[in-house]
Order: sequence, then structure tokens, then C-alpha cells
Amino acid sequence: GQNIDQPTEMTATEGAIVQINCTYQTSGFNGLFWYQQHAGEAPTFLSYNVLDGLEEKGRFSSFLSRSKGYSYLLLKELQMKDSASYLCAVREESGNTPLVFGKGTRLSVIA
Amino acid sequence: DVKVTQSSRYLVKRTGEKVFLECVQDMDHENMFWYRQDPGLGLRLIYFSYDVKMKEKGDIPEGYSVSREKKERFSLILESASTNQTSMYLCASRRDSGANVLTFGAGSRLTVL
Repeated sequence: GQNIDQPTEMTATEGAIVQINCTYQTSGFNGLFWYQQHAGEAPTFLSYNVLDGLEEKGRFSSFLSRSKGYSYLLLKELQMKDSASYLCAVREESGNTPLVFGKGTRLSVIA
Repeated sequence: DVKVTQSSRYLVKRTGEKVFLECVQDMDHENMFWYRQDPGLGLRLIYFSYDVKMKEKGDIPEGYSVSREKKERFSLILESASTNQTSMYLCASRRDSGANVLTFGAGSRLTVL
């Protein structure tokens, strides 16, 4: 079976740091994606991890631990425009297989 | 930039109507996908296609069919719309291989009355 868990909602203050966790139990693992989706818009790609460790991209970083089935997305220096849903998605197998998505975490950034 | 275009942003249909949702991508991507997105349920895969004329069922194919006659176009068909098919429908495409990034269309919000 496949199970990807993320918190449903989070709230954080402008200028702060927030960590959005994702745990997965899937039949296989060949990489993990994070997407951002603003309300009423299409999801857009943020990051991809296939090896353990931290990938940094500006204010956003993503971490992966394959042995723990765990990833997080770290957002620094939060801005109001970071209010969005963040989707964790796992690539279970190599080749042309679809991604398995978590239900998403809705982040609200408040002043 | 890859562009994925969904023909209708908002549709309102009646129960029993046949509904076509069209999706076109302009970057020669092999793989195309149809998802529906509902509050509390996240993105669920309806159908996908690895290449022209090919299609595979996703997690929730019941009540839907698809057509991929040309590489750039992937159509989702609701043969007889029902109220439980009221949802946001998202089309996505990617170049061959699961390691590549999915590019999504803006979505089609369908309401079935």
C-alpha cells in the first residue's frame, strides 16, 4: 500500500521559519517532490530529493531521510506570499510511473 | 517554459450530460495525467498516458474515460456526469521518466447540478 502523511494546516508568522513534515510508507522509493499550490492556481515544482540530505534553494530547503521515510520542507524568512498549500509527492518506482501525492499542507502566514 | 492549457476554467453541467475536458501541452512531453483535487482528499489520479494512443487507469478511473489521439492533447471524458464528479480537475505533463518535473495546467472547475 501507499501512505503519505502531512499535517493538514499550519500557521506561522511573517519573517519566521516553518518546517513542513512529510512521512511516507510506499511500496518503493525513487525520489520525493515538493510542490507549492496557491489557492485557485496550478501546483508548481519546488524541489526534488532522491538522496539523503538537505537541498537548499534560496529561502526554501528540502531534506530527505530514506531510512526513516521522512522529508521536510523548510521555509525561511516567511513572506505573506508563501501562504499556499504544499504538496509532498513520492516517486515509487523508476521509469514512467505516476507520482503518489500526499493530501497537502495549507500554510497560512500571518503578520 | 512548458505550457499546459486546459480549455475551460469553469464549467457547469447537468447530471447525465457528457462532458469533455481538454488539455494541450506545447513541449512534446510523452507523459500526460489527469487528476482531480477535492478538499481533504488531495490530488487523486484518474488516468494517465505514457504516449500517443496509450492509457492507463489511475486510482479512481470509474466514471471516466480518456483519449490521446495526438501527443499534445489528452482529453478526459465523463460519459454521464454525476454530482459526485463535481471537482477541480488538473491536467499535467512531463517529459519521459518519472524523475522529471510535472507541469500542471491551471485546472478546470466542474460543477454538476
